[in-house]
Amino acid sequence: GDSVTQMEGPVTLSEEAFLTINCTYTATGYPSLFWYVQYPGEGLQLLLKATKADDKGSNKGFEATYRKETTSFHLEKGSVQVSDSAVYFCALSDRGYQKVTFGIGTKLQVIP
Amino acid sequence: ETGVTQTPRHLVMGMTNKKSLKCEQHLGHNAMYWYKQSAKKPLELMFVYNFKEQTENNSVPSRFSPECPNSSHLFLHLHTLQPEDSALYLCASSQDVEGRGDTEAFFGQGTRLTVV
Repeated sequence: GDSVTQMEGPVTLSEEAFLTINCTYTATGYPSLFWYVQYPGEGLQLLLKATKADDKGSNKGFEATYRKETTSFHLEKGSVQVSDSAVYFCALSDRGYQKVTFGIGTKLQVIP
Repeated sequence: ETGVTQTPRHLVMGMTNKKSLKCEQHLGHNAMYWYKQSAKKPLELMFVYNFKEQTENNSVPSRFSPECPNSSHLFLHLHTLQPEDSALYLCASSQDVEGRGDTEAFFGQGTRLTVV
């Protein structure tokens, strides 16, 4: 079956540091890939997505590239801010949203 | 109001109580979902409704009972829960299109449930 693997964290960084959160996946089909973010006390919201190999999703300074050869979708940001502190979920979808598989979530803490 | 709204935000209930969680979406979506979020575990999909029809039930215990009276409202009825059912329960909605795998889901803020 489909699965998503990501580091659990917490990941603690100083403001303006470079961020990488690794995500790898296994899927039977040709999935779409997503990063969702959950801020404290909130539900999840879509951060970015990519639907085919070599696509790059980007939003709010975050980027992730769909790498089919390494089955990865790592999240990166060049300079994090305190306001980026949240839990980040990698996810994949094979056949429409009903079949989305989420990773465990990675907690990011950015300190001033 | 816009988006997905869940009530209550917090709920404490005893193991013999009966309570209900409510979710309402104002986005015109055709699919709604219940998820369970527990510490150190991936999000668990519990129930899926598409056009008010339940299309998925991921082996959820019968003490959780969903209800979807129309495409805008979703309930989760709770009865004789266990302490291990304490978690954040998230509702989501999406405009589900057959064969499309890139549909975005919109989540509510969740109900923090504590079973004592």
